[in-house]
Amino acid sequence: DIQLTQSPSFLSASVGDRVTITCRASQDISSYFAWYQQKPGKAPKLLISGASTLQSGVPSRFRGSGSGTEFTLTISSLQPEDFGNFYCQELKTYPYTFGQGTKLEIK
Amino acid sequence: EVQLVESGGGLIQPGGSLRLSCEASGFAVSDNYMSWVRQAPGKGLEWVSILYSGGRTYYADSVKGRFTISRDNSKNTLYLQMNSLRAEDTAVYYCCGAVNVYYYYGVDVWGQGTAVTVSS
Repeated sequence: DIQLTQSPSFLSASVGDRVTITCRASQDISSYFAWYQQKPGKAPKLLISGASTLQSGVPSRFRGSGSGTEFTLTISSLQPEDFGNFYCQELKTYPYTFGQGTKLEIK
Repeated sequence: EVQLVESGGGLIQPGGSLRLSCEASGFAVSDNYMSWVRQAPGKGLEWVSILYSGGRTYYADSVKGRFTISRDNSKNTLYLQMNSLRAEDTAVYYCCGAVNVYYYYGVDVWGQGTAVTVSS
């Protein structure tokens, strides 16, 4: 199975900050990769597909980059509504592993 | 409106069976790659199973041989039959589908989740 190592596990940042979350895959997964945001008690929401494609309705402050084994989710200017848990997922090989998650707290 | 609505969760004893349902609206489950993802209390997301539009299925090792994913095209509904349930199957189960994205790039439509508790 492909392993995903997501970091950091916890992040506390202020409104307006630039925030970066990283996900490293144990083997080359090309761009078969996605980022999700999950708020408490809610279903995950797809933010970025194919490593870098911003989903419709997702604010442009979210940016996904990377391919192969290194992937990054960047929030250019953190807003109060951006809190929650963020997960990466590889979709190259079954099982479609998720990263362990990053909890983002707004200071 | 594109929507998924799950049902069928509940409290079940270890060794028991449960069938989860996921009714779709706004699109056809038969035309899309549909999956189940679960989340144990306080834990992260775990991919469980996928059903291709062509009918092929895949499962996580943790549920292989115990869970079966299927669909009823006439009811536009996805199912997850769960047998020989264990305490570690306790989770919120999400039905989801790749509707507006390629299935290998992400999953864009999610249900609200249905909770399954396996306990005596």
